[in-house]
Amino acid sequence: EVQLVESGGGLVKPGGSLRLSCAASGFTFSSYSMNWVRQAPGKGLEWVSSISSSSSYIYYADSVKGRFTISRDNAKNSLYLQMNSLRAEDTAVYYCARSDTAMVTGADYWGQGTLVTVSS
Amino acid sequence: DIQLTQSPSFLSASVGDRVTITCRASQGISSYLAWYQQKPGKAPKLLIYAASTLQSGVPSRFSGSGSGTEFTLTISSLQPEDFATYYCQQLNRPLTFGGGTKVEIK
Repeated sequence: EVQLVESGGGLVKPGGSLRLSCAASGFTFSSYSMNWVRQAPGKGLEWVSSISSSSSYIYYADSVKGRFTISRDNAKNSLYLQMNSLRAEDTAVYYCARSDTAMVTGADYWGQGTLVTVSS
Repeated sequence: DIQLTQSPSFLSASVGDRVTITCRASQGISSYLAWYQQKPGKAPKLLIYAASTLQSGVPSRFSGSGSGTEFTLTISSLQPEDFATYYCQQLNRPLTFGGGTKVEIK
């Protein structure tokens, strides 16, 4: 059974940092691209970042470029999101999601999400 | 970046109704479009990809069509479990989502 479990969320002050993790199981992690998608309270979905299976291709939304870094460790079946210079508008539930290698067929499995709250 | 505009943003319907949601892209995206369903407090669920391909396990009452800039998601006969919010997503980088369509019980 495919499982994605996010962790690392919490309360952080503006300007602070946080590192999210996503532990994957039930599939060959190294064969899939991975994504982070967030959802602010009461709002819609916002794509944050994607990374290809071998980390060769990395993409970011403009809203997080230069502040967030996506990475993965295929040996540990884990995906990460390092978030620096956090702002109030980064407050959201952050989901990790699996997609096909070329990232063209959508995200077929999602984690349960982890809440990040940026507030003083 | 490619913008996606969903309409309507809110829809009130009854069980058994045929429901259509539209997603318009600000520029042509071929068939690189997916549809998701999200229920409160839950992660999104992939319904359709490549504009019209039904994801495995998704009921056949869901269908998608379109290419280029205009796309539709149709639910042929709305069931109680279909009341949710629906999002389209275009799959050219950078990826973007539509604003969502909330389907509520009439």
